[in-house]
Amino acid sequence: NAGVTQTPKFQVLKTGQSMTLQCAQDMNHNSMYWYRQDPGMGLRLIYYSASEGTTDKGEVPNGYNVSRLNKREFSLRLESAAPSQTSVYFCASRDLGNQPQHFGDGTRLSIL
Amino acid sequence: LAKTTQPISMDSYEGQEVNITCSHNNIATNDYITWYQQFPSQGPRFIIQGYKTKVTNEVASLFIPADRKSSTLSLPRVSLSDTAVYYCLVGALVSSASKIIFGSGTRLSIRP
Repeated sequence: NAGVTQTPKFQVLKTGQSMTLQCAQDMNHNSMYWYRQDPGMGLRLIYYSASEGTTDKGEVPNGYNVSRLNKREFSLRLESAAPSQTSVYFCASRDLGNQPQHFGDGTRLSIL
Repeated sequence: LAKTTQPISMDSYEGQEVNITCSHNNIATNDYITWYQQFPSQGPRFIIQGYKTKVTNEVASLFIPADRKSSTLSLPRVSLSDTAVYYCLVGALVSSASKIIFGSGTRLSIRP
């Protein structure tokens, strides 16, 4: 079982470049989430999607856009990358009701 | 969203029982309490979830007093492989349209 798959696993960008992080889940979950985690810190919610066709801002949405392409896929886009966006990005999905989140293994993004 | 407070770090030894307490004074009536574990370079992994009293599974127990303003994750007979960051989350999970916010977590170090 693949669960939540994130691509790429690693990426280095230059300031000002654009990038889309991909996330796909094969568990037929309704909700999907994007978090960032800076070194030694907890996870901060960037955006989430309660269901296909809907997206909402989390704690730190500035500088990011998202697309819930279909029920399986939820992408995160950096239009003009900045060094402050250097982080590890985690995607998660969750089913209806009081079900826990399932996380991917993360994308490690460095912006020079 | 209920804010949570956890100790920043804890140390223990192999074979000991470890209790990590989380404070959530503003917990709402329909909020659940969920604990996750995170190893370096991995996404968080669900450990246990509860609403009141005591919940036990194969890896941990969760104790929630009657006022629900705190909760305690109990790890029996820890081993070196339990060294990780543990996150306490509080939120209404009965709807998929829920933001799920992580705090800073507790860094648990287990020594031989």
